[in-house]
Amino acid sequence: SQTIHQWPATLVQPVGSPLSLECTVEGTSNPNLYWYRQAAGRGLQLLFYSVGIGQISSEVPQNLSASRPQDRQFILSSKKLLLSDSGFYLCAWTASGPYGYTFGSGTRLTVV
Amino acid sequence: KNEVEQSPQNLTAQEGEFITINCSYSVGISALHWLQQHPGGGIVSLFMLSSGKKKHGRLIATINIQEKHSSLHITASHPRDSAVYICATNTNAGKSTFGDGTTLTVKP
Repeated sequence: SQTIHQWPATLVQPVGSPLSLECTVEGTSNPNLYWYRQAAGRGLQLLFYSVGIGQISSEVPQNLSASRPQDRQFILSSKKLLLSDSGFYLCAWTASGPYGYTFGSGTRLTVV
Repeated sequence: KNEVEQSPQNLTAQEGEFITINCSYSVGISALHWLQQHPGGGIVSLFMLSSGKKKHGRLIATINIQEKHSSLHITASHPRDSAVYICATNTNAGKSTFGDGTTLTVKP
């Protein structure tokens, strides 16, 4: 069966520090991968999506970047965190075609 | 302006009531999703639709491709249905767009 792993669950980082959040999917190949952010009390905001290795589409210009070094690995990074980067970050995947989403459990990031 | 619009933004119902949440979108899509987010943040996929209607237990989702509109219905609502319900669309290129969500509170 397919599973998605996202870690860490919570993270407190100082302003200006780097960030690396990792997401891996098991049990499928060539998934569409997504990174979302949800600010407190707000809806989901698509940050990046990838339809294949090395293929990254960015939806919102910001302080973050994403990479897909392997088929089932999606990484969200920042060189220097800002206070405004605080939020709930969710990774998700879908199979290519008309399939539903599966979300990771999320990472709650607080930048202090 | 979000390409995916949900209504209402907030909804309070009494236990047992029939609930409808609406979603309208503005561009051609390959699929529409209804998601449920609980207070802890976890998100569960409820339905994926490309046409017609789907039913799962007390939940029913419909989509009208021509009108670019979808509805999520909950029959015999229960307090445990209290959550944020999110409509999301996919394009063939893999892009997804999310509505801002509908916060549902079902009172006993």
